[in-house]
Amino acid sequence: DVKVTQSSRYLVKRTGEKVFLECVQDMDHENMFWYRQDPGLGLRLIYFSYDVKMKEKGDIPEGYSVSREKKERFSLILESASTNQTSMYLCASSPLVSGYEQYFGPGTRLTVT
Amino acid sequence: AQSVAQPEDQVNVAEGNPLTVKCTYSVSGNPYLFWYVQYPNRGLQFLLKYITGDNLVKGSYGFEAEFNKSQTSFHLKKPSALVSDSALYFCAVSGMNRDDKIIFGKGTRLHILP
Repeated sequence: DVKVTQSSRYLVKRTGEKVFLECVQDMDHENMFWYRQDPGLGLRLIYFSYDVKMKEKGDIPEGYSVSREKKERFSLILESASTNQTSMYLCASSPLVSGYEQYFGPGTRLTVT
Repeated sequence: AQSVAQPEDQVNVAEGNPLTVKCTYSVSGNPYLFWYVQYPNRGLQFLLKYITGDNLVKGSYGFEAEFNKSQTSFHLKKPSALVSDSALYFCAVSGMNRDDKIIFGKGTRLHILP
């Protein structure tokens, strides 16, 4: 079975802190994604990556950056956390072929105070 | 541009009754269509997908979905609901081009009443 793990289930950070969210997948998938999930807004794509060291902006990249130094690991960085970044963050991976489903991690619930 | 709509924020169904969660989509060309389920404080879990072929797709936990090209719909169905089916359900669509991203609907919360 595909396994996608995220470094933390719950995280509380202060405004202005730099925050790292880590995601690791064990199925050698080329594609990796970061979403945020907010009530009534569904899933919104922040960034995605289709190869090591490659990244593409999603629909809401402002205030975020990403890093993919190894194929299995995709990190989301909040350079200076703000309260409006309080959310559930979901990582996903998929093979680099259209029509394949994405496999999701358990999510990180981030609270910025 | 691709889009997907789930017209109901919430659906209530009595246990044992059939359930339907609605989804309509818009995409250039032929679509890939997906259903995911999310249980509380968990990530999304894949249920089923339509790629091509038979319009009725069967998936996990007894769920199925019917692709209707003329109505651009992909409704999720189950003949007999269980209380454990209570969860948040997401429909998603992508085009067939390699660069096409998956677009998710806003989700429908399904309540199965004992």
